[in-house]
This record gives sequence, structure tokens and C-alpha cells, in this order.
Amino acid sequence: ETGVTQTPRHLVMGMTNKKSLKCEQHLGHNAMYWYKQSAKKPLELMFVYSLEERVENNSVPSRFSPECPNSSHLFLHLHTLQPEDSALYLCASSHEWGLARPEAFFGQGTRLTVV
Amino acid sequence: GENVEQHPSTLSVQEGDSAVIKCTYSDSASNYFPWYKQELGKRPQLIIDIRSNVGEKKDQRIAVTLNKTAKHFSLHITETQPEDSAVYFCAAPGGGNKLTFGTGTQLKVEL
Repeated sequence: ETGVTQTPRHLVMGMTNKKSLKCEQHLGHNAMYWYKQSAKKPLELMFVYSLEERVENNSVPSRFSPECPNSSHLFLHLHTLQPEDSALYLCASSHEWGLARPEAFFGQGTRLTVV
Repeated sequence: GENVEQHPSTLSVQEGDSAVIKCTYSDSASNYFPWYKQELGKRPQLIIDIRSNVGEKKDQRIAVTLNKTAKHFSLHITETQPEDSAVYFCAAPGGGNKLTFGTGTQLKVEL
């Protein structure tokens, strides 16, 4: 267990549904990330939060909405998704840049299927 | 922002041979270069990293080399074993706080 926990592990949702992905870390990290992993783009950065403030958006569609209420929790709210959004969504956390070894620890991911 | 390119996308080697995966980056401010290994069905995990103040780092059968002038770094795996089969990702931070990952290399070690 690396200390980054994602729930749920699997999610099937219709295009009109609203769901949320949750990520939790207790490593004392102050940067958290959402990545999308699909066959076409193996690791695609979606959002970065540093000290609970969003610092990177990467032009993600508005049907994906992140929320970072504190440095230990990160959510990804989903609504009106498309089938092409089906992928593995990985959460990661790391120390703030400049500190010792900014290694990114990944959660096990949420396998999302949009039907 | 940072742009990271990784080659090859797939690599097949015989057990015992060496494997080399190469990455290039664009942002000269990048000073930290990690490599992640993702086994099938599992999360990516850091296997080795290098900072820009050194040109090479080795940990048992894996090593990473860095050429800051040319902006490229490589992962070297010697005496490959079946358990080395996985997807490998390089990454670079650019001048900011996020890691930009390469597109991944599917390494297959054949018996």
C-alpha cells in the first residue's frame, strides 16, 4: 500500500449520470494530481493541486470538475460524460517541488466505463 | 510547458539481453527525471530517478543516464528478466510543480 487510496475501483455510468471519484492520501504531501490513462494517451495530466489551489487545468472538458477540500483529499466530479471518457483515472500525490525527492505516489486507479 | 517524448513505444528483448528506453524533454528548467514502472493491472511506481547535477545513476540492474545539453535521458536495464515486463514511463517536471510523462514503453522480456 503506497498511501494513496482511490474509490471506487470500478465505475460504470450512463452518459446522463453524475458521479464522483475520490482520492485520499496520508503521506503528508501537498500536491495532488488527476491523470487519465487510456490506450491512446497512456498518462495524460488532467489537474494539479498544490496546497489545495489548482495550478494546472490542461484544457480538460468542463464535464470533469475537480475539488480539493484539503491537502489529503481530492475529488473528480463527473457529469454528462461521453463513451470516449472511458479510461483508468489515476490519482497521485507528491511533495511540493523543491523538497527532497518529489516522487509521485499513485493510487490504484478507478476504471471508468461510460455506457 | 514541458514536452516529453519517449521511444520506443514497444520493445521486445530476449531474457538476459539489455533494454534501453530513451526520452527527450523540452524545458531546460527541468532538473529531476524519474522513471516509473507499471505492471499489468497495477499502479505506476517509481523505480529510479536522477537529478540534473549528475550524469548517471545506477541501482543494481537498472541505470539512468542524463545528457542535459542534448535534453535527453535514458533508462538501461541489463540482464533482463521476465518480471521486467511492464510499461515504463519517463517524466520531467519542467519549471513547474507537475510531472509531464512520456507516452510509455511496453517492454516484453521473452524466454
